[in-house]
Amino acid sequence: AQKVTQAQTEISVVEKEDVTLDCVYETRDTTYYLFWYKQPPSGELVFLIRRNSFDEQNEISGRYSWNFQKSTSSFNFTITASQVVDSAVYFCALSEAYNQAGTALIFGKGTTLSVSS
Amino acid sequence: DSGVTQTPKHLITATGQRVTLRCSPRSGDLSVYWYQQSLDQGLQFLIQYYNGEERAKGNILERFSAQQFPDLHSELNLSSLELGDSALYFCASSDARADTQYFGPGTRLTVL
Repeated sequence: AQKVTQAQTEISVVEKEDVTLDCVYETRDTTYYLFWYKQPPSGELVFLIRRNSFDEQNEISGRYSWNFQKSTSSFNFTITASQVVDSAVYFCALSEAYNQAGTALIFGKGTTLSVSS
Repeated sequence: DSGVTQTPKHLITATGQRVTLRCSPRSGDLSVYWYQQSLDQGLQFLIQYYNGEERAKGNILERFSAQQFPDLHSELNLSSLELGDSALYFCASSDARADTQYFGPGTRLTVL
């Protein structure tokens, strides 16, 4: 069965600190997608990144970076020089990638990040 | 703005009642997904429709049903509501590549 584990329930940092959110996944599929979504206090779910299981290249987008390691089944998310606006709940998610119609996302429990000034 | 719209934004009702949540996917997206977010269960997949047909079911109660109409909008019907049905209900849609789901703003349902 597929499973996503975000072991960190809550993280608190001070502005400008770097922070890494951990995500470990389980799947028997060889082809799958991994995602990170952000849920700010306003409640909407905002798509941040998608990674295909065949692409283990790390990605950087501004202050955000993602480290995908199939060997450890991990897809970790690092925010560099955190800001108060980064305060949100961050969800890691997994889906199968072979279905033309798309497949459901399996979400982790989320990590609540609080950034104080 | 993801392009996915959901109405209403908030809904307050009583136990035993029935409500309908509405979702309009992004233009051109054929797949619609419904998810429930509650404090105890987290984010859970309920049901998926693809081009008008039910495609997959998750942890959806028998009291809940959904449909996708020819114009591709979808409705989630919740009946015989219980206190435990209070949650945030999200709709998401994906395009023909089906590789990314974009979420609407959600409908917050409160059952009193």
